[in-house]
Amino acid sequence: GAVVSQHPSRVICKSGTSVKIECRSLDFQATTMFWYRQFPKKSLMLMATSNEGSKATYEQGVEKDKFLINHASLTLSTLTVTSAHPEDSSFYICSAGGGTTYEQYFGPGTRLTVT
Amino acid sequence: GENVEQHPSTLSVQEGDSAVIKCTYSDSASNYFPWYKQELGKRPQLIIDIRSNVGEKKDQRIAVTLNKTAKHFSLHITETQPEDSAVYFCAASNAGNMLTFGGGTRLMVKP
Repeated sequence: GAVVSQHPSRVICKSGTSVKIECRSLDFQATTMFWYRQFPKKSLMLMATSNEGSKATYEQGVEKDKFLINHASLTLSTLTVTSAHPEDSSFYICSAGGGTTYEQYFGPGTRLTVT
Repeated sequence: GENVEQHPSTLSVQEGDSAVIKCTYSDSASNYFPWYKQELGKRPQLIIDIRSNVGEKKDQRIAVTLNKTAKHFSLHITETQPEDSAVYFCAASNAGNMLTFGGGTRLMVKP
């Protein structure tokens, strides 16, 4: 399957700061990327869908001004958690899909801890 | 929107036994049903998927069945091994659009 990388794998930041997470598709062009959040022992919750060159579509209840998503190229999407708070601590996972491909390929995830 | 229910939430089996995990979905337009295996702290790994034009698919010890009329699909793992222990997620989507995940099943295979 396709390879998706995510960086950083783990980050600790202080309350009030912003954190940027990068998601890259390494060997294919991802027209659509998805950002998920996963709490311990819980399922993946879709936060937003981003299409290259257009604004992201956010799921209900997800603050778009807090979770900024940019999909500037077919191989890179970024999620910026602005003014992070301890409740934003979670495992964030991206996935990439392309065109009519049914499959989504997941990144390794980023564990964010806000102190 | 789509809603996917998954049962059981935990499943403990003896090594060598079979394990079955069931999911139901609500949106009749969904046509792609993948299953993922996730180990602690790792990314979900696709283990098998099925599209709505097929009723059953098998890959070695893993099989998935789909009943479109009843809107449910199941994962079957035969001859379970300790390394099968993980959390399994079902999901449903419509032609490459967003995946809606089930709540997950924690499978424990006891040696």
